[in-house]
Amino acid sequence: DAGVIQSPRHEVTEMGQEVTLRCKPISGHDYLFWYRQTMMRGLELLIYFNNNVPIDDSGMPEDRFSAKMPNASFSTLKIQPSEPRDSAVYFCASSWTANEKLFFGSGTQLSVL
Amino acid sequence: AQSVTQPDIHITVSEGASLELRCNYSYGATPYLFWYVQSPGQGLQLLLKYFSGDTLVQGIKGFEAEFKRSQSSFNLRKPSVHWSDAAEYFCAVVPGGSQGNLIFGKGTKLSVKP
Repeated sequence: DAGVIQSPRHEVTEMGQEVTLRCKPISGHDYLFWYRQTMMRGLELLIYFNNNVPIDDSGMPEDRFSAKMPNASFSTLKIQPSEPRDSAVYFCASSWTANEKLFFGSGTQLSVL
Repeated sequence: AQSVTQPDIHITVSEGASLELRCNYSYGATPYLFWYVQSPGQGLQLLLKYFSGDTLVQGIKGFEAEFKRSQSSFNLRKPSVHWSDAAEYFCAVVPGGSQGNLIFGKGTKLSVKP
């Protein structure tokens, strides 16, 4: 298996633009997580899905952020409109269970100018 | 407030020296405990985990960690560090044991001197 695949690896955009981050989890994993990593706040859980259903989105910072999982092999995290404070590395991870071994993608480095 | 604390932001050790990275948590019940490693530009990789049983757990790459309930700690150790161990290390807990989500510490960056 190729592991968790995220795209793009790097995204540079201007404030106010829409940003869409993509994730393909490992086949067979029932759980998918979106994390944000910054120097100030470390790794923060934004949202996670179980069998394509959002279970906990309490970490989503505000209404500008939305996440979807239309099927078991694809998820998106969208920011609209983007702001400079959204600049961070966004990680997608998947696993067989909610709280055991997570497999992380390589992340998307987002810069909002 | 409930938290996961890694008191050392950055540690530098010489290659071949021993290593101990500290992790403390402040949750009432015994949580599930994990150590992950992140190499530059990469995602996190699980090193080891503790759920119950023997308090000394062995992981990949020669790492081990010891759960000490009395100290609410789960420190990561390696007897002899290799240059390839230079990375950032994250302690993580699931506060409710089998229930709940992973909460990560802020991480400790390890540099290795030749």
